[in-house]
Amino acid sequence: GAVVSQHPSWVICKSGTSVKIECRSLDFQATTMFWYRQFPKQSLMLMATSNEGSKATYEQGVEKDKFLINHASLTLSTLTVTSAHPEDSSFYICSASKTGFGLAGEETQYFGPGTRLLVL
Amino acid sequence: GQQVMQIPQYQHVQEGEDFTTYCNSSTTLSNIQWYKQRPGGHPVFLIQLVKSGEVKKQKRLTFQFGEAKKNSSLHITATQTTDVGTYFCAGHAFNDYKLSFGAGTTVTVRA
Repeated sequence: GAVVSQHPSWVICKSGTSVKIECRSLDFQATTMFWYRQFPKQSLMLMATSNEGSKATYEQGVEKDKFLINHASLTLSTLTVTSAHPEDSSFYICSASKTGFGLAGEETQYFGPGTRLLVL
Repeated sequence: GQQVMQIPQYQHVQEGEDFTTYCNSSTTLSNIQWYKQRPGGHPVFLIQLVKSGEVKKQKRLTFQFGEAKKNSSLHITATQTTDVGTYFCAGHAFNDYKLSFGAGTTVTVRA
């Protein structure tokens, strides 16, 4: 159990277009979903945390108007990169947690396979 | 804010040898997790340590959580080519739902 999918796995787009990435928990309900970005040969950097039915919490330095996050259900969160530019090219990874806030001692995050975005 | 540091950044290992990667946090952690990311892949959860001084083994992998819950290590014995990848530690501080990732240790294996 605890499978997370992402779609698409690869996307190439022109500069200025918007790209939507979906993250789904397939066999469990995810109270919290996390969006990370990973540049080549670097670690995962948390971009934002989303809880179903509420606004996402963005990390410092992440533009919320550029990276729109919607967590409309307990199994789906979407990340939309608006007006993408070449510097947004990266590996975007979501993860999902079964538990919510306040249970940090027992949480495991289940990672999706990631989406590689290339903006030309 | 919380920082998780991981060393070494790169580890070149002769097949059959052992190696260890170390993780240190600037603050006390409620738990620490280890992930493996193969080249071109995504992070895959390996294990979670919660208790002070905890030691867990998975075949040739031994994970330790320090007594002060601020450091951890991953030791791999008899390295194989299948061990190639980047190993990340990630920790939760108390009352913090966010995972802070270390920079990772990228392992290459010489046959």
